[in-house]
Amino acid sequence: GNSVTQMEGPVTLSEEAFLTINCTYTATGYPSLFWYVQYPGEGLQLLLKATKADDKGSNKGFEATYRKETTSFHLEKGSVQVSDSAVYFCALTYSSASKIIFGSGTRLSIRP
Amino acid sequence: EAQVTQNPRYLITVTGKKLTVTCSQNMNHEYMSWYRQDPGLGLRQIYYSMNVEVTDKGDVPEGYKVSRKEKRNFPLILESPSPNQTSLYFCASSRLGDEQYFGPGTRLTVT
Repeated sequence: GNSVTQMEGPVTLSEEAFLTINCTYTATGYPSLFWYVQYPGEGLQLLLKATKADDKGSNKGFEATYRKETTSFHLEKGSVQVSDSAVYFCALTYSSASKIIFGSGTRLSIRP
Repeated sequence: EAQVTQNPRYLITVTGKKLTVTCSQNMNHEYMSWYRQDPGLGLRQIYYSMNVEVTDKGDVPEGYKVSRKEKRNFPLILESPSPNQTSLYFCASSRLGDEQYFGPGTRLTVT
């Protein structure tokens, strides 16, 4: 079946460090891929998405590229800030799908 | 403003006392879903609906009921809550296959 695997957290970095959160998926065909972010005390919100192979999603300095050959959608940011501290979820779905598959989430903490 | 609203945001109740958590969206989305979030277990889907009068079980439906009589509303019903249903609950809506919009969450404690 379809699944999403994320690197386990927590991940702790210093401000201005480079961030990578790994995400790989198992799916047939061509799902759409998403990164969601959950700030403390809030619901999830979309961070970025990509709907076909080689697409790059980007938002707020974060980027992720849909790599079909490696079935990956790794999240990157060149210089993290304290305000990026949150839980990040990788997810996939299909255009006619009845559900979205979430990864287990990665907690990110940024030290000043 | 496009949004998903949930009420109540916080609820403390006792075992066996029926409760309803409401969810409403103003984006005319076909798809609505309920999740629970527990430490170490991520998000788990309870029920979903692909349109009015169409609902189906997610991964953890036991102890929950839902209904979809109107497109914008998707209430979650706990007929006889138990302590293992203490959790953080999220409602979400979307167009089919597109990004999901989440509500702010309802923190439920069952004693």
